[in-house]
Amino acid sequence: EPEVTQTPSHQVTQMGQEVILRCVPISNHLYFYWYRQILGQKVEFLVSFYNNEISEKSEIFDDQFSVERPDGSNFTLKIRSTKLEDSAMYFCASSLGQGFRSPLHFGNGTRLTVT
Amino acid sequence: EDKVVQSPLSLVVHEGDTVTLNCSYEVTNFRSLLWYKQEKKAPTFLFMLTSSGIEKKSGRLSSILDKKELFSILNITATQTGDSAVYLCAGDYNQGGKLIFGQGTELSVKP
Repeated sequence: EPEVTQTPSHQVTQMGQEVILRCVPISNHLYFYWYRQILGQKVEFLVSFYNNEISEKSEIFDDQFSVERPDGSNFTLKIRSTKLEDSAMYFCASSLGQGFRSPLHFGNGTRLTVT
Repeated sequence: EDKVVQSPLSLVVHEGDTVTLNCSYEVTNFRSLLWYKQEKKAPTFLFMLTSSGIEKKSGRLSSILDKKELFSILNITATQTGDSAVYLCAGDYNQGGKLIFGQGTELSVKP
């Protein structure tokens, strides 16, 4: 069964550094998302992306965050200047369409640790 | 504020037991409710519910939605140790894939 793949599985970085988290969505999916889960807390929506632009973003997704689909397969999340509170599991997801009969499929996540 | 609340937060049962997990939601422009199973890593899709009263079933798992009372339940019959996981409920609020997740129910199935 096709799956969403994310790399790396674990990233450790120092505060203030830039990180790029990478995702390869399911190949025929058209909608892409980033979510995050701080340890012990709920899974939270960050951003959705369709047709090479952001469709929706949460309050968490401030100017320090950006997303890009640099080619036909990758989808990236960049954090420009990491903060301690950015430490979390970041999940990429994709869906064929929106809403009915188009559930989100999640990758295994990248655990980001900011020291 | 849109929110999804799950109960119980944790549950310990023995193999063979039947469990019922609860999810209630408060909505704006509700479109669907989804259940996911999370074992350490990726939430894995289980069910998407859009219509009231229609049970969705997959093996020993089943789920139903009540749009009048704003809740859903996930049933697991004849539980196995492999069912041990966090079960997540999420509401789709017609905002382009912005799922609102509950805090999850951690299910532990003992042999």
